[in-house]
Amino acid sequence: EADIYQTPRYLVIGTGKKITLECSQTMGHDKMYWYQQDPGMELHLIHYSYGVNSTEKGDLSSESTVSRIRTEHFPLTLESARPSHTSQYLCASSHRTANTGELFFGEGSRLTVL
Amino acid sequence: SQQGEEDPQALSIQEGENATMNCSYKTSINNLQWYRQNSGRGLVHLILIRSNEREKHSGRLRVTLDTSKKSSSLLITASRAADTASYFCATDEGFQKLVFGTGTRLLVSP
Repeated sequence: EADIYQTPRYLVIGTGKKITLECSQTMGHDKMYWYQQDPGMELHLIHYSYGVNSTEKGDLSSESTVSRIRTEHFPLTLESARPSHTSQYLCASSHRTANTGELFFGEGSRLTVL
Repeated sequence: SQQGEEDPQALSIQEGENATMNCSYKTSINNLQWYRQNSGRGLVHLILIRSNEREKHSGRLRVTLDTSKKSSSLLITASRAADTASYFCATDEGFQKLVFGTGTRLLVSP
């Protein structure tokens, strides 16, 4: 079992609300990632981080923002949720190595915006 | 980077049969990884094969990599109902991140 946790698992909110999806890992991993998974299963990288105070945008443009103030914590925030943000959000982490090794995933946060 | 493609999109077999899934990608890679996802859950790492390796085994899993064709295959032998899941390949293209394929849904019937 991976020591990476996401909360909430499920969230249903109205349009315009601000939400934060939490992700924490206890493995001391430097690298952390947020993926968005659509109903067709494809995973798209939306944000990643190499370590504290490092954040990068991923391959898929997203209106969400992230922060990395502590090694173990990588929250994702949507300032004003819209129905188009409805999706499954997956957080992952990995060891800091020259190449990208195994990713450890959380169980996901399924967001529905009405 | 561009998403890899997996083939088939869906596969339905009987318990005891072998399941083969294929993955194609577009750029040079450092390694290729396979992941499994049960419905509604996160992904779990299965196996990693480096670009200088051609074949790798782990239990009932066999992975091959052909860098000249930019393709990989995952073979699950003697499948079980518990193998029912979605399977994804992911490539490390050297940018400190993985690019995932489109996934194959595997259904193993008892």
